[in-house]
Amino acid sequence: EVNLLESGGGLVQPGGSLRLSCAASGFTFNNYAMNWVRQAPGKGLEWVSSISGADYSTYYADSVKGRFTISRDNSKNTVFLLMSSLRAEDTAVYLCAKSFGLGVSTSIESWGQGTLVNVSS
Amino acid sequence: QPVLTQPPSASGTPGQRVTISCSGTGSNIGVNGVIWYQQIPGTAPRVLIYSNNQRPSGVPDRFSGSESGTSASLAISGLQSEDEADYFCSVWHFGLRGVVFGGGTRLTVL
Repeated sequence: EVNLLESGGGLVQPGGSLRLSCAASGFTFNNYAMNWVRQAPGKGLEWVSSISGADYSTYYADSVKGRFTISRDNSKNTVFLLMSSLRAEDTAVYLCAKSFGLGVSTSIESWGQGTLVNVSS
Repeated sequence: QPVLTQPPSASGTPGQRVTISCSGTGSNIGVNGVIWYQQIPGTAPRVLIYSNNQRPSGVPDRFSGSESGTSASLAISGLQSEDEADYFCSVWHFGLRGVVFGGGTRLTVL
């Protein structure tokens, strides 16, 4: 059974930084692309970033490009999201998600429960 | 504004059949398979349909998906109270090089 456990969320001031982690289990981690998606309170899903399972190619939404960095450690079955220059509009639950396959274009198959990031002074 | 367009709400009575539409463009729907997710408030989304019309194991056959041109649809037959949830369509957008979602449809079972 796929299990994705996010951590690292919390309250941070505007302009601050935060690193999210997602520990994966129940599948061969390095065979799958991984993603971060966020959901602001009462809102829909917004894709944030993806990283392939093969060549570690990375992709970002325009709203976070240049501020967020996705990475993965296949030896620890973990994917990370380093967020900097945070803004109030980044406030959301951040969900870690596993793709259907190795490439990012295979889209999202499984989801974690999410971790809340609150950007406020 | 979401790249994919969904109606914000839908409703039906128990036993009824409802459909939810998802409209895109030739750069997304029609190029890659559409995924449909169900999200019960307070929980993580789950896949109902992938590759336009494929159901993962464990998803009841009351749920079906279709795609035509630049639009996709999710149909739910024999509506049940536990189907009350938010439904999102999604697809990989090759032009934007990212995943795009619809704005979501809140389904109410009357």
